[in-house]
Amino acid sequence: AQSVTQLDSHVSVSEGTPVLLRCNYSSSYSPSLFWYVQHPNKGLQLLLKYTSAATLVKGINGFEAEFKKSETSFHLTKPSAHMSDAAEYFCVVGGTDSWGKLQFGAGTQVVVTP
Amino acid sequence: DTGVSQDPRHKITKRGQNVTFRCDPISEHNRLYWYRQTLGQGPEFLTYFQNEAQLEKSRLLSDRFSAERPKGSFSTLEIQRTEQGDSAMYLCASSPPTGKLYEQYFGPGTRLTVT
Repeated sequence: AQSVTQLDSHVSVSEGTPVLLRCNYSSSYSPSLFWYVQHPNKGLQLLLKYTSAATLVKGINGFEAEFKKSETSFHLTKPSAHMSDAAEYFCVVGGTDSWGKLQFGAGTQVVVTP
Repeated sequence: DTGVSQDPRHKITKRGQNVTFRCDPISEHNRLYWYRQTLGQGPEFLTYFQNEAQLEKSRLLSDRFSAERPKGSFSTLEIQRTEQGDSAMYLCASSPPTGKLYEQYFGPGTRLTVT
């Protein structure tokens, strides 16, 4: 079975400092991994995805994530946090079925302080 | 706006009442998904449609829940005899017919509160 574990439920960063959101995955196969962001009162938005191509994946808004098979990790980073980055972030793994089931982590709430 | 839309955005109902939610996917998307998100948790898969056919259902979808997509366009999710445990955000997502299987576009959700 596929699953993801987000290691931090809350992360607080100062504006302009780096952001690190940690995610470990469990998968019997080479996984498809994603990060989604959810702003209050808005729909989930895809930040980036890994589908067995380059292990360093660049996404929108300056975010990137690195797939490390040896560590079964897919951590999300951003060099410099902006106030607009305050949101909930979900690490997601794609299932092995043929129809696109997504398995979400519990989420990490990011707070950005001035 | 050509994104996924959901209606209503908020619904407050009393325990035991029936509620129905609607999802309008992006027009060319033939795949449609329903998820449920409770407070402090990530979304959990409920059911999947390809065109008008309901191909997958989670065990979370009890017999009080029914979903339809009659013409392969919009979808409805009905909950009968609501319980307080049904209080959650119900999310709809759609994806296109070819490739990019996991590229799902989410609507803003319908927040259900059962009193």
